[in-house]
Amino acid sequence: EIVLTQSPATLSLSPGERATLSCRASQSVSSYLAWYQQKPGQAPRLLIYDASNRATGIPARFSGSGSGTDFTLTISTLEPEDFAVYYCQQRSNWPTFGPGTKVDIE
Amino acid sequence: QVQLVESGGGVVQPGRSLRLSCAASGFTFSTYAMHWVRQAPGKGLDWVAVISYDGNNKYYADSVKGRFTISRDNSKNTLYLQMNSLRAEDTAMYYCARGGYYDTSGYNWFDPWGQGTLVTVSS
Repeated sequence: EIVLTQSPATLSLSPGERATLSCRASQSVSSYLAWYQQKPGQAPRLLIYDASNRATGIPARFSGSGSGTDFTLTISTLEPEDFAVYYCQQRSNWPTFGPGTKVDIE
Repeated sequence: QVQLVESGGGVVQPGRSLRLSCAASGFTFSTYAMHWVRQAPGKGLDWVAVISYDGNNKYYADSVKGRFTISRDNSKNTLYLQMNSLRAEDTAMYYCARGGYYDTSGYNWFDPWGQGTLVTVSS
């Protein structure tokens, strides 16, 4: 099983600031990494797939980068609706998820 | 628009069974792999099972293998999860999610997700 770790566990920021979230895989997943956003009481929503491709309807302030074992999700300018939990997921093997990073309001 | 609607959750005693359903609309259901993913209360996401677009390939997480069965009825645009021998640790919100187009591998992204159905295993 490929284990994903995310850091930090919690990121406290203000609207308008830049958010940088990290995801590390226990072995190479090539570019087969996705990012999801989950708000309280809602299902997850796909943001980024194949490490750097935005899903349909996702704003340009969300961007992804990385390959192999180290990946980054960047939110260039935080909007109020972006405060949520973010999960990474790999599909290089049977799907696994990271434990999540909570982005909350400072 | 693409929509997935789960149903069938509830409170069940340990050792009993439950069947979840996921009704799909807004896309050609028979051309996509479909998944179940669960989330225990306050916890992260765990992949449960996948079925290929044609129903011929099914794969399970080790934690549910031998107890859960995934199936689909392409004529009814519906995905199912039969859960037997339920345990307290199966308590979670269960989401269905669309996988890959004409996929048989199960190595997919999940897009979109249904709103989930809550399963509580408790005596």
